[in-house]
Amino acid sequence: AQSVTQLGSHVSVSEGALVLLRCNYSSSVPPYLFWYVQYPNQGLQLLLKYTSAATLVKGINGFEAEFKKSETSFHLTKPSAHMSDAAEYFCAVSGHSGNTPLVFGKGTRLSVIA
Amino acid sequence: DADVTQTPRNRITKTGKRIMLECSQTKGHDRMYWYRQDPGLGLRLIYYSFDVKDINKGEISDGYSVSRQAQAKFSLSLESAIPNQTALYFCATSDPGHPPEKLFFGSGTQLSVL
Repeated sequence: AQSVTQLGSHVSVSEGALVLLRCNYSSSVPPYLFWYVQYPNQGLQLLLKYTSAATLVKGINGFEAEFKKSETSFHLTKPSAHMSDAAEYFCAVSGHSGNTPLVFGKGTRLSVIA
Repeated sequence: DADVTQTPRNRITKTGKRIMLECSQTKGHDRMYWYRQDPGLGLRLIYYSFDVKDINKGEISDGYSVSRQAQAKFSLSLESAIPNQTALYFCATSDPGHPPEKLFFGSGTQLSVL
């Protein structure tokens, strides 16, 4: 069974600083991996997804993530944090068949300090 | 209008009451899901349906039931609500695909069971 672990339930960065949100996956087969973002009082929306086409995946709002098989990681980064990036971020994994629902991590709340 | 609409947005009920949460979508997607979100626990899958005649239990289906009335409608019922079912509930939809297509989420229903 697939699972993801997000390291750090809360991350705080200064505006303009690097954002790094960590996600490690556990899967017996090559997984599909996703990052979703939840802004206050909203549902989740897709930031980016890894589908094995390229290990460095670029998403919306300047975010990107790199799939590292050797480290079983899919960390999310953004070079320069903006106040509007404050939200909760979820890593998720799906099995390779495409017929298993996403399994989400516990989430990381990102705070951006002015 | 939202693509995925959940009603009600907020609900307060008492222990032992039966309650139904409704979800409708205009995306034309075959696949629909119910997740619940609890602080620190992320999103956990309750039930999912890959088409009108398909219903599957998720990770935490005990105490819940669902009905897929049409392609566009997927309802979640709590037959006898209990306080630990207090949570934020999300409906989501997707197309089938390989690799998996992204999920589209509703805005959520905040349920409080007293």
